[in-house]
Amino acid sequence: ETGVTQTPRHLVMGMTNKKSLKCEQHLGHNAMYWYKQSAKKPLELMFVYNFKEQTENNSVPSRFSPECPNSSHLFLHLHTLQPEDSALYLCASSQDELAGSHEQYFGPGTRLTVT
Amino acid sequence: QKEVEQDPGPLSVPEGAIVSLNCTYSNSAFQYFMWYRQYSRKGPELLMYTYSSGNKEDGRFTAQVDKSSKYISLFIRDSQPSDSATYLCAMSVGAQKLVFGQGTRLTINP
Repeated sequence: ETGVTQTPRHLVMGMTNKKSLKCEQHLGHNAMYWYKQSAKKPLELMFVYNFKEQTENNSVPSRFSPECPNSSHLFLHLHTLQPEDSALYLCASSQDELAGSHEQYFGPGTRLTVT
Repeated sequence: QKEVEQDPGPLSVPEGAIVSLNCTYSNSAFQYFMWYRQYSRKGPELLMYTYSSGNKEDGRFTAQVDKSSKYISLFIRDSQPSDSATYLCAMSVGAQKLVFGQGTRLTINP
């Protein structure tokens, strides 16, 4: 596996379900990100992790719960979502903030549909 | 007012044409400017990265930043059908908090 991988690629869930999205990066980076991409809206940054520590939460509702057990893996735990949460969820990684690199590498995304 | 404005298109041009894509922004503190390309059912990939004002060229792609006008552009020369994609501008004050435009959907017709 190379680059940034995400599983599952597609997910349909009911509003009362609990599910998790997984992201793995094979680039040796120390920073990881979750973004939300909705139709006709810009990519929105949700969370940033540096060296497994959350350094940014962009006012994301608590029904989205991130977890970063190590620098290579990132999860997004989902519970009691709303239909408006249906979107493409993208994971990205980069060198850490102190390294100053701005190049973020994106995974292919998980297409989430909330019914 | 959105921090970053980008015309979503769609934009359709014939093969071989020069394509001009643009974004305007309101936050004068932005220092880093990027263009990403996103193919259907894929994640965005970084095309060009520039710091502060000026031009940067990479093959058929040229990125321009005019900080005085708060305006950035991406030019594609000798456009190819394989350039058909959505192009996203992004910018940031520091290293990690990117702010994206809505994206412009581009189609190059053979």
